[in-house]
Amino acid sequence: QTVVTQEPSFSVSPGGTVTLTCGLSSGSVSTNYYPSWYQQTPGQAPRTLISNTNTRSSGVPDRFSGSILGNKAALTITGAQADDESDYYCVLFMGRGIYVFGTGTKVTVL
Amino acid sequence: EVQLVESGGGLVQPGGSLRLSCVASGFTFSSYYLSWVRQAPGKGLEWVAQIKQDGSEKNYVDSVKGRFTISRDNAKNSLYLQVNSLTAEDTAVYYCARSWSKTFDIWGQGTMVTVSS
Repeated sequence: QTVVTQEPSFSVSPGGTVTLTCGLSSGSVSTNYYPSWYQQTPGQAPRTLISNTNTRSSGVPDRFSGSILGNKAALTITGAQADDESDYYCVLFMGRGIYVFGTGTKVTVL
Repeated sequence: EVQLVESGGGLVQPGGSLRLSCVASGFTFSSYYLSWVRQAPGKGLEWVAQIKQDGSEKNYVDSVKGRFTISRDNAKNSLYLQVNSLTAEDTAVYYCARSWSKTFDIWGQGTMVTVSS
């Protein structure tokens, strides 16, 4: 059973920088897993932020960036704003048409 | 406008069935993989199933294999999820999502399925 792990929560100050990570219970995340990132506020559908490790979706501010850091995928928010307070999920493509979502990170801006 | 609109959710008894639907507009439906993703109340997102453009390839998360069936009708720009043998653990908002380059790039607003006696 593959588990994709994310930090449960992060707190960041307005204008600050935070890096969320997305790891595997066993093994390393690489670009071969096509990591993508999603933002979700309560009661709303997810919003796509990043595809294929580091490609920002249309309309996504450039303060959001994706990368591989060590053995994990990462989402960095640089210059956090109040409306970045949300839940963030990564997804990894495991091959054979199978996807696994990460456990999610709740980001608080205060 | 590119849009996905789900319907078909509701309250169903344990062991019951439902057919969820998702109607697409604003893009060439037959050119894309499509997926269902669900979210139990207060929980995270879970990928459920994906179907290839022509319906020839279908994949499922292990927990729904044999109970859920994904299908599509390209002539009607519609995606479906037949959910059978429902349990309380299937209670969730079910989202349809367009898949592009291994990313879920367009999402519907979701339809709620509640399994309870």
